[in-house]
Amino acid sequence: DAKTTQPTSMDCAEGRAANLPCNHSTISGNEYVYWYRQIHSQGPQYIIHGLKNNETNEMASLIITEDRKSSTLILPHATLRDTAVYYCIVRVANTGTASKLTFGTGTRLQVTL
Amino acid sequence: KAGVTQTPRYLIKTRGQQVTLSCSPISGHRSVSWYQQTPGQGLQFLFEYFSETQRNKGNFPGRFSGRQFSNSRSEMNVSTLELGDSALYLCASMPTSLQETQYFGPGTRLLVL
Repeated sequence: DAKTTQPTSMDCAEGRAANLPCNHSTISGNEYVYWYRQIHSQGPQYIIHGLKNNETNEMASLIITEDRKSSTLILPHATLRDTAVYYCIVRVANTGTASKLTFGTGTRLQVTL
Repeated sequence: KAGVTQTPRYLIKTRGQQVTLSCSPISGHRSVSWYQQTPGQGLQFLFEYFSETQRNKGNFPGRFSGRQFSNSRSEMNVSTLELGDSALYLCASMPTSLQETQYFGPGTRLLVL
């Protein structure tokens, strides 16, 4: 699986959009970009994933650059409850190894009043 | 649907003891994976069970074992506990072994004294 690089920490004011970047310059054509987050003392929570098209769900939007070397997770209206560590992962789909998730250090997002 | 549940949530043991942790996956999910999370090592894959069979295994010593029952509930056991086994143990479930999105439980926090 390709390696990802994320900023260590970010701050965001409540109500504003939180834009979390992720670099994955060695991504392969068959690798998806996944985002999870982990709120303190809880298990990781799936947010969104995509291959090359932008994706949106009730939690967030995922913007993947045309060359797929980077992506941005957007929380459109951050709240205090979005304070968490956000992990960007790239992995190949449908290989039978879906369970072997490897999280890097992630981005610690602090949402403030 | 109820989420992934893990019991107990907190546990204190002493070196040399053994411990059994339990995980109930989301109803209908047949794949259960176990992870160890520590501040120093991050999230590390232990093993995955699907239809009562171990499908994937991480790089942990034989003191770590698991099993899955016919109702998809899973247990993991750690024998001869060491101080370094103190960690958050997470269970995640998926509908099948080839799905990409894992749903995590809240974890069991184990402290070995």
